[in-house]
Amino acid sequence: DSGVTQTPKHLITATGQRVTLRCSPRSGDLSVYWYQQSLDQGLQFLIQYYNGEERAKGNILERFSAQQFPDLHSELNLSSLELGDSALYFCASSLAGVPTDTQYFGPGTRLTVL
Amino acid sequence: GQSLEQPSEVTAVEGAIVQINCTYQTSGFYGLSWYQQHDGGAPTFLSYNALDGLEETGRFSSFLSRSDSYGYLLLQELQMKDSASYFCAVRVETGGFKTIFGAGTRLFVKA
Repeated sequence: DSGVTQTPKHLITATGQRVTLRCSPRSGDLSVYWYQQSLDQGLQFLIQYYNGEERAKGNILERFSAQQFPDLHSELNLSSLELGDSALYFCASSLAGVPTDTQYFGPGTRLTVL
Repeated sequence: GQSLEQPSEVTAVEGAIVQINCTYQTSGFYGLSWYQQHDGGAPTFLSYNALDGLEETGRFSSFLSRSDSYGYLLLQELQMKDSASYFCAVRVETGGFKTIFGAGTRLFVKA
């Protein structure tokens, strides 16, 4: 158990819908990262937050947005969902958000878009 | 662009040693990490190399050569539980620090 929690574990929804994925980092960690893992694209970095501020952006679609709240939990919002958005979404956290940090991954949210 | 190459599959026998190679082409390279992921599980951090050389952590070692844009993960005394996917990942500094993952190497350990 990494100490990172993600909810929900599974999510099934329809095309065009909007969903919110939630992540609570390990106690003491200030930085949160979001990743998407799909069969054809592998593990892709989406976005990083540090203490409430966006720190780095990866291959995140405009239909996706994220934020980190004052209590350090983070939410990833996915809208206008398409079939291709079906994937495992992981949240990771680290202490300071610097490259030498160890990133601890949560168990993931499996999103299925029908 | 940024790219990483690692073998898609490796098979080895229990008790043996296996090496998983990773070559990368990136700009803003900062360091190389390795992660393990069992089926249905989350990636788990194994090692991080920012400088050239070998880092050892128990049965696992990781090596980096920045001049060759190359690294490897060495697993010794293989156990059945080591059957998993192994990802190399580069940390790059391009508009913030990002982690770019390779496609993963599936390791099968046979009895």
